[in-house]
Order: sequence, then structure tokens, then C-alpha cells
Amino acid sequence: NAGVTQTPKFQVLKTGQSMTLQCAQDMNHNSMYWYRQDPGMGLRLIYYSASEGTTDKGEVPNGYNVSRLNKREFSLRLESAAPSQTSVYFCASTETSGSGYTQYFGPGTRLTVL
Amino acid sequence: RKEVEQDPGPFNVPEGATVAFNCTYSNSASQSFFWYRQDCRKEPKLLMSVYSSGNEDGRFTAQLNRASQYISLLIRDSKLSDSATYLCVVLTGGGNKLTFGTGTQLKVEL
Repeated sequence: NAGVTQTPKFQVLKTGQSMTLQCAQDMNHNSMYWYRQDPGMGLRLIYYSASEGTTDKGEVPNGYNVSRLNKREFSLRLESAAPSQTSVYFCASTETSGSGYTQYFGPGTRLTVL
Repeated sequence: RKEVEQDPGPFNVPEGATVAFNCTYSNSASQSFFWYRQDCRKEPKLLMSVYSSGNEDGRFTAQLNRASQYISLLIRDSKLSDSATYLCVVLTGGGNKLTFGTGTQLKVEL
């Protein structure tokens, strides 16, 4: 199993450009998440999808849109990038079982907006 | 007030030392608690869940105090490979969302 994969690993954008961050998981998890991580701020939830066909806003959704394309894939779109969106973006999926709750993260996308 | 608060450190300790991290959370309805480990420029990974009765995994011991709303992580016999940032994490919001602390940085030195 590849776990959670993200593309691209690095990206540089100019202000106003758009892009889509891709995420896929092969663990058959229902829930998927997008976070951003900034120095001194910790991980903050942007959007999440509890199941295929549903999405909900997290703590910092402004400037982003998401699509839960199918059970495997959850993409994050920046329609008009701003320097404040310079960050490291992590996608995650969650396994919930009798033995507990585990969130698995992808390797991250390092985005710089100039 | 942040939902989950941690001392950012860094904690610089010699190899073999015992080190403890604390974390406080503000939402008394929080359901589950975890410690994640994050290496530099890598993704977070689950270190261990934290149970009310306290739990141990090798050199790592986690404790939960619901009355005081704090969580602790104790690392015994520190190794160089323990150097990382340790994230305190709380599950709230109907079981769908994790709230992360900003992390405590540990540096284990020779």
C-alpha cells in the first residue's frame, strides 16, 4: 500500500495564479482532510470530507475549494493564490476501528506564492 | 485561548535522560487524545493514543487528567533518534476533527 500520496511535492506560484493539489489514499478510508501548517501555528484544518460526496469547512477555508472525486481522491484548489497561502499543505485520511482512531498523512506539498 | 496548548521548547537533553512534555486542552467535551511525532520537514505520524488509565509503549508513557484537562508524555532513556517535534492532538467535533497543538521540539544530544 502506498498510503496517502500527494502531488506535487513543491510548487511556486505567482499571486493570482490558480492550482489544484491532488491527494489519494489506497486504504479504503471514508474520511479525508486537508490541513495547512505554518510556523508557530500548528496544523490547521482547511476542509474535510467525512465520506464520498460530502465536504465541510474546517477552521481556515477562505480562499480554497475542495472536491471529493471518489472514495480515494480529495483535491484542494486555490482559485487565486495569495502570498498568505504560502504554507505546507498536508492531506490525511482516517481509520476508525475498535482499536482506536488513526490519521494517516501524506508527505506534504510545499507551496510558495510570490 | 488556544484549544490545545503546548510549550514549544526546544527541550535540549542528553542521551539517556528522561524528559516530560505537558499539554492542556480547553474543550471539556473532547473525546480522545493522542501524541503525534513530526520529524523535520516530514508528515506527522501517530506515536500513541492516550487513555484515561495511562498507557505505556516501551520507553514512552502517556497520561491523561480529564479533571485538569491536561495530557502528558514521558520519554525515558532518550535516544538521538527521539529528536523531533511532538504534537499533542485532541479529537472533538463529533469524532470527525482533530485539533493539533503547535508542538514541542525535542533535541537529544550526545
